[in-house]
Amino acid sequence: SQQGEEDPQALSIQEGENATMNCSYKTSINNLQWYRQNSGRGLVHLILIRSNEREKHSGRLRVTLDTSKKSSSLLITASRAADTASYFCATDDDNAGNMLTFGGGTRLMVKP
Amino acid sequence: EAGVTQSPTHLIKTRGQQATLRCSPISGHTSVYWYQQALGLGLQFLLWYDEGEERNRGNFPPRFSGRQFPNYSSELNVNALELEDSALYLCASSPGSTGGETQYFGPGTRLLVL
Repeated sequence: SQQGEEDPQALSIQEGENATMNCSYKTSINNLQWYRQNSGRGLVHLILIRSNEREKHSGRLRVTLDTSKKSSSLLITASRAADTASYFCATDDDNAGNMLTFGGGTRLMVKP
Repeated sequence: EAGVTQSPTHLIKTRGQQATLRCSPISGHTSVYWYQQALGLGLQFLLWYDEGEERNRGNFPPRFSGRQFPNYSSELNVNALELEDSALYLCASSPGSTGGETQYFGPGTRLLVL
């Protein structure tokens, strides 16, 4: 079963704009990870944020985590056409035995 | 450093047959995970192997099984294939069995059951 929801399900922006995706989850977690998937291929790991962290940056990516609201956001700044992909959040729950639980994903389209 | 590799990339089977999917983890990683990404169902956890043992299993019937070899590579076997088993099967690996580690994914095997 899926942990939570991602919002929006689809997002279309122009190159250069920022893209923000949100993820909500239901249980207590060890960490939350964001992945990218291009056209039904494998998942590329983007960033991991631990439950005791509130914000993390990696290049053009900024991730926030609010454990009180059980939510996370992924911000991609200055988007490029190559950022077009599906983005998934995945939680590593406290008692889930290393199982990652994925959200439904956000399909991002960046128009040149 | 080579990433997670999976074979074959595509597999076509008929209903009732058996499918075997293979995965080689990143060198030095001992844990291997299998996930299913079926249309409309999202990404779902199947199995976790570490040091040759099955450590956790998702909500899938027993005809989904696997094993991990001494070199940490892994096989996923799906018996008595059903049409709804058509999906992208993703393998991932992590350095060890401690919770909270990043899981690195392979390119997947796309299984089509006719």
